[in-house]
Amino acid sequence: DTGVSQNPRHKITKRGQNVTFRCDPISEHNRLYWYRQTLGQGPEFLTYFQNEAQLEKSRLLSDRFSAERPKGSFSTLEIQRTEQGDSAMYLCASEDRENSPLHFGNGTRLTVT
Amino acid sequence: KNQVEQSPQSLIILEGKNCTLQCNYTVSPFSNLRWYKQDTGRGPVSLTIMTFSENTKSNGRYTATLDADTKQSSLHITASQLSDSASYICVVSKNSGGFKTIFGAGTRLFVKA
Repeated sequence: DTGVSQNPRHKITKRGQNVTFRCDPISEHNRLYWYRQTLGQGPEFLTYFQNEAQLEKSRLLSDRFSAERPKGSFSTLEIQRTEQGDSAMYLCASEDRENSPLHFGNGTRLTVT
Repeated sequence: KNQVEQSPQSLIILEGKNCTLQCNYTVSPFSNLRWYKQDTGRGPVSLTIMTFSENTKSNGRYTATLDADTKQSSLHITASQLSDSASYICVVSKNSGGFKTIFGAGTRLFVKA
């Protein structure tokens, strides 16, 4: 299966700790997105990369959040000094062009205790 | 105020029956509208995508309609199966690009034997 891969699938951390998630998009897709989803809600946009360039960031992405896509392939999302409100599913998606389907990974579920 | 509203919030139907899910949006300017299926604990999977000029799109037992004038879309599921139990999310994009994509909260469908 050459779909979008996310690791880890689950992460439990204590408040105040830093966490990092990884996303491997479909290899020929140059557009990559991060979303956050809480229970009973649709995904909320966090940030968007085209190749290695981060072109858009949501206001939801506080300065504790940082995302990178250093070589235009995989991406990482880091959350520093985690808070309980950060508990959510973090989804990564990729697409190859506009108006084409977004391909989602199965997400990383973060629980901050 | 959410720019994409879905109804009903949840729905229970018997296996083999048909159902229709609704999506109303106020997003403007409109680029495309997509329907996704999301199983519990997994990422959304694309069902259909429609641009302004398209008013219907089918994918197997799933048929989506779009009325761009009234800004309404529906997803019709024919001959439901137990595996159709999932959340169905309506997604509307402005102009272009995933980062201008707005997700509805979804309709949770339960198909019972």
